[in-house]
Amino acid sequence: DSGVTQTPKHLITATGQRVTLRCSPRSGDLSVYWYQQSLDQGLQFLIQYYNGEERAKGNILERFSAQQFPDLHSELNLSSLELGDSALYFCASSPARGSDEQFFGPGTRLTVL
Amino acid sequence: GQNIDQPTEMTATEGAIVQINCTYQTSGFNGLFWYQQHAGEAPTFLSYNVLDGLEEKGRFSSFLSRSKGYSYLLLKELQMKDSASYLCAAVGNSGYALNFGKGTSLLVTP
Repeated sequence: DSGVTQTPKHLITATGQRVTLRCSPRSGDLSVYWYQQSLDQGLQFLIQYYNGEERAKGNILERFSAQQFPDLHSELNLSSLELGDSALYFCASSPARGSDEQFFGPGTRLTVL
Repeated sequence: GQNIDQPTEMTATEGAIVQINCTYQTSGFNGLFWYQQHAGEAPTFLSYNVLDGLEEKGRFSSFLSRSKGYSYLLLKELQMKDSASYLCAAVGNSGYALNFGKGTSLLVTP
C-alpha cells in the first residue's frame, strides 16, 4: 500500500458523458501527478499540481481538466467522453516538486461504452 | 521532446540473471527511474539514478550512462514473482514528471 488512495476503483459510463476521478496523496506530499495508461500507449503523463498550483502539463486533452484543493486532494475531470478514453488512470504523489520518488495509487479503471 | 526506448518483451529462466536496457532522449535531465508493474496494478518504485554508475539494491541493480543516454536494470536470482512489466522513466526539466517508456514485459519460466 503506497498511501495514495483513488476513487472510484472502476467506472463504466457512456460516450459523451462526464466523470470525476478523485485522488488523495500520501500524508505530507505536496505534489500530485495524473497519468493515463492505455494498452497501446503505455503510461502517459497528463498533469502535475504542486501545493494547489498547476506545475506542468503533459499530453492532456482540452476535454480533461484537473485541480488540487487546499487539503491537497486532487480531482481529474473528463468530459465529452470517447471510446478511446477507456484506460487506467493513475494518480501519484511525491513530497516535493523535485526529482524524487513518486508513489502511485491503485488506479481508476474507466470504461467508456 | 522525450523519447524512451526499451525492448517490448523478454523471457528468462528462474534463478538466472536478466538485463533490461533503456535508451532515452530528453530535454534536460533530472534522473532515470525504474518501476515494476504487475498487470492491473500500480507501478512500484525500484530504483533512481541521476549520476553515472551502478546502484545496487538487493537482487536489483540499475546502471546509468548520461553521456550515452543509456540505462539498464539488472535482475539477479530471478523468481517467478519477478514476471511483470518493467518501466523505464526519465525526468526532464519540465515539472519533474515521469516520461515513461512503453515497458518491457518480462516472463520468468521454471
